[in-house]
Amino acid sequence: GDSVTQMEGPVTLSEEAFLTINCTYTATGYPSLFWYVQYPGEGLQLLLKATKADDKGSNKGFEATYRKETTSFHLEKGSVQVSDSAVYFCALFTGTASKLTFGTGTRLQVTL
Amino acid sequence: ETGVTQSPTHLIKTRGQQVTLRCSSQSGHNTVSWYQQALGQGPQFIFQYYREEENGRGNFPPRFSGLQFPNYSSELNVNALELDDSALYLCASSLTGTGNYGYTFGSGTRLTVV
Repeated sequence: GDSVTQMEGPVTLSEEAFLTINCTYTATGYPSLFWYVQYPGEGLQLLLKATKADDKGSNKGFEATYRKETTSFHLEKGSVQVSDSAVYFCALFTGTASKLTFGTGTRLQVTL
Repeated sequence: ETGVTQSPTHLIKTRGQQVTLRCSSQSGHNTVSWYQQALGQGPQFIFQYYREEENGRGNFPPRFSGLQFPNYSSELNVNALELDDSALYLCASSLTGTGNYGYTFGSGTRLTVV
């Protein structure tokens, strides 16, 4: 079945540091890939998406590239801010299953 | 446009009781999905409703059931509550055929079973 594996957290960075959160997936068919963010006490917000191989999703300084050859969708940001502190979820969607499959999430804490 | 709204935000129930959670989908969306997020875990798919019928189900027992209404709002019902049902329940709406462009999630209902 479909699955998503994320690097374990928590990830603790100083403000303005470079961020990478690794995500790899296993899926039947051709999934769309997503990063969602969850701030404390809130639901999920779509951060960015990519629907086909080599697409790059980007939003709010975050980027991720759909790499079919390595089945990866790593999240990056060049300079994190304290306000980026949250839990980040990698997810995939396939039309076959008609559902989102999530990773376990990676907690990011950014300090001054 | 309005987003996805869920009610109540928090709920405490006793083991063995029944609970109903409610969700209003985003304007223009006709499909509603429910997810269970246990503490420290990623959301797990419960089921999806389209045109008032269940249209996909995850690995959850029959005591988890749902409804979708003509206005596309939805309910999640859980019977015979167990302690392990304590979780954040998330509702997500989408327009059928565009699931690969992302879902809009509500803020969730935090259910605690004691």
